[in-house]
Amino acid sequence: DVVLTQTPSILSATIGQSVSISCRSSQSLLDSDGNTYLYWFLQRPGQSPQRLIYLVSNLGSGVPNRFSGSGSGTDFTLKISGVEAEDLGVYYCMQATHAPLTFGSGTKLEIK
Amino acid sequence: AVQLVESGGGLVQPKESLKISCAASGFTFSNAAMYWVRQAPGKGLEWVARIRTKPNNYATYYADSVKGRFTISRDDSKSMVYLQMDNLKTEDTAMYYCTARWFDYWGQGVMVTVSS
Repeated sequence: DVVLTQTPSILSATIGQSVSISCRSSQSLLDSDGNTYLYWFLQRPGQSPQRLIYLVSNLGSGVPNRFSGSGSGTDFTLKISGVEAEDLGVYYCMQATHAPLTFGSGTKLEIK
Repeated sequence: AVQLVESGGGLVQPKESLKISCAASGFTFSNAAMYWVRQAPGKGLEWVARIRTKPNNYATYYADSVKGRFTISRDDSKSMVYLQMDNLKTEDTAMYYCTARWFDYWGQGVMVTVSS
């Protein structure tokens, strides 16, 4: 199975600070169809996950543009440009290129 | 508005069965692959099962941890997706989420507790 390693596991940020979360894959996530099926989610406390980014860098519907995704192959990054209070929660990356679909172990964002 | 509403969770004993359901609305259900994702208490997300659409022969896929015990199905006429869970184990205790359209839509989740 593809292992997704997220770092850091905990991230503490002040309002307005820019932060990045890394997601490294044990295998290339470039599919034979040319797509890279790497996604980012935010799970706020007590809520269902929300999709932030799809196919590495595409912003989900209704997602603020302070969120951005980048990367290729095995290395991917989620950046929040100017953290807001509502951004606290756990961030997960997920790959759907290789079966079975797998998630990273999560990065908890705390607001200082 | 898009809605996914799970139901049917509860407390069961090990080796028992349970069937959970997800009612979809607000999008063209028959065109959407459907997924179940679970989250054990205090843990991360785990993909459980996937079912494709009619043009893809309703193909199903399962995580190794549930293969042979869980069955995903769908009823396009009712916009429903189901997860039949047999021979439940304590490690199946989790919140189960229904999700669709490449994980853009999520339900609120339904809790399944397996305990003696």
